[in-house]
Amino acid sequence: RKEVEQDPGPFNVPEGATVAFNCTYSNSASQSFFWYRQDCRKEPKLLMSVYSSGNEDGRFTAQLNRASQYISLLIRDSKLSDSATYLCVVAMTTDSWGKLQFGAGTQVVVTP
Amino acid sequence: EPEVTQTPSHQVTQMGQEVILRCVPISNHLYFYWYRQILGQKVEFLVSFYNNEISEKSEIFDDQFSVERPDGSNFTLKIRSTKLEDSAMYFCASSVPAGGLRHTDTQYFGPGTRLTVL
Repeated sequence: RKEVEQDPGPFNVPEGATVAFNCTYSNSASQSFFWYRQDCRKEPKLLMSVYSSGNEDGRFTAQLNRASQYISLLIRDSKLSDSATYLCVVAMTTDSWGKLQFGAGTQVVVTP
Repeated sequence: EPEVTQTPSHQVTQMGQEVILRCVPISNHLYFYWYRQILGQKVEFLVSFYNNEISEKSEIFDDQFSVERPDGSNFTLKIRSTKLEDSAMYFCASSVPAGGLRHTDTQYFGPGTRLTVL
């Protein structure tokens, strides 16, 4: 079983629409959760950390369900610039010093 | 904004040759990492480094790999005898500023070095 699993997509989203997708993780001892964004052939960039109570950053909302071991990301009012691969990332540590375990990514394509 | 830098951006080498990939982490960070991403696959952890020693490594990081912080600014990954399957994008990352908040959740990634082994 993969440690972090994501639907690869692509999710084709009209500009202005809402899109949501999940990821599941296998290790119940995981402590930290993140969404990173990766543009084609570029480095991963942190989009947001995911906290137990759920959190929002502008048009992005992340949720964590520890009981079911999944994390979700919702993007509202999609922009063309949101087209990217979204990487679900899990760490065993409570801080940023531990190794990150990446999912394979969910591709989002926002169309005009 | 401070950033992680990596050189070269693209390295082409012959199978069996040694390569050294170079990284300059963010200057006041304490933890350093190498990850790799084979084309079309997920990002994979290779090694983490703290206080001048390896703190964790993956099964990928075998005896052909080594890391070094030769001075106060550079962090290098050496592959002693490259194989075709070492072809990938190699990302360096750094985290945890000295004296920073405990819950600093960010590992900052460099732009990567694309390694092509022929």
